[in-house]
Amino acid sequence: DTGVSQDPRHKITKRGQNVTFRCDPISEHNRLYWYRQTLGQGPEFLTYFQNEAQLEKSRLLSDRFSAERPKGSFSTLEIQRTEQGDSAMYLCASSSQGGEETQYFGPGTRLLVL
Amino acid sequence: AQSVTQLGSHVSVSEGALVLLRCNYSSSVPPYLFWYVQYPNQGLQLLLKYTTGATLVKGINGFEAEFKKSETSFHLTKPSAHMSDAAEYFCVLSGARSYQLTFGKGTKLSVIP
Repeated sequence: DTGVSQDPRHKITKRGQNVTFRCDPISEHNRLYWYRQTLGQGPEFLTYFQNEAQLEKSRLLSDRFSAERPKGSFSTLEIQRTEQGDSAMYLCASSSQGGEETQYFGPGTRLLVL
Repeated sequence: AQSVTQLGSHVSVSEGALVLLRCNYSSSVPPYLFWYVQYPNQGLQLLLKYTTGATLVKGINGFEAEFKKSETSFHLTKPSAHMSDAAEYFCVLSGARSYQLTFGKGTKLSVIP
């Protein structure tokens, strides 16, 4: 069990550019979650996958954001036409279905939009 | 609607002193409650969780928390603070939609030598 990994750990981009982040969950976990954490705040839920199906999206996820989990393993989160307000830490978590479903978090990707 | 309120964005304690981090929640369904810790430049780590059963739950690193339904509280305690406890602590709630965690704003704990 190598834990949840995220890549890259840091990303600096210019306003208007597109960025993509990757999350690799714990291998036996079929549920995957994305959260966003801004400075001084707790993480906020963005979206959730069970296997390859995206089952829930927060209203925080504007149409510039898209997330995929094509084969039910790793997931990508893409932000198009980035804005300065997108600057945040993007966290990925995974859990197994059933039981108490504890979510295990990755180290996050810190995005800075200039 | 669910919400979590953490009292005090920053708490300072002396090394060896009692740690008490306060958390109150609001939920229309029986809650699952968690405390996560975030060390600088590291991911969120689960400290402890309450789902059902015993209301006093013990976690890692000597931390424990007590679920009090009548007070809608889930305060985190540790009898004796260590320097290594300095971190940010989040109280977290999940309810009926158990896949969606609701986080408090966090409490940054400083430990003074």
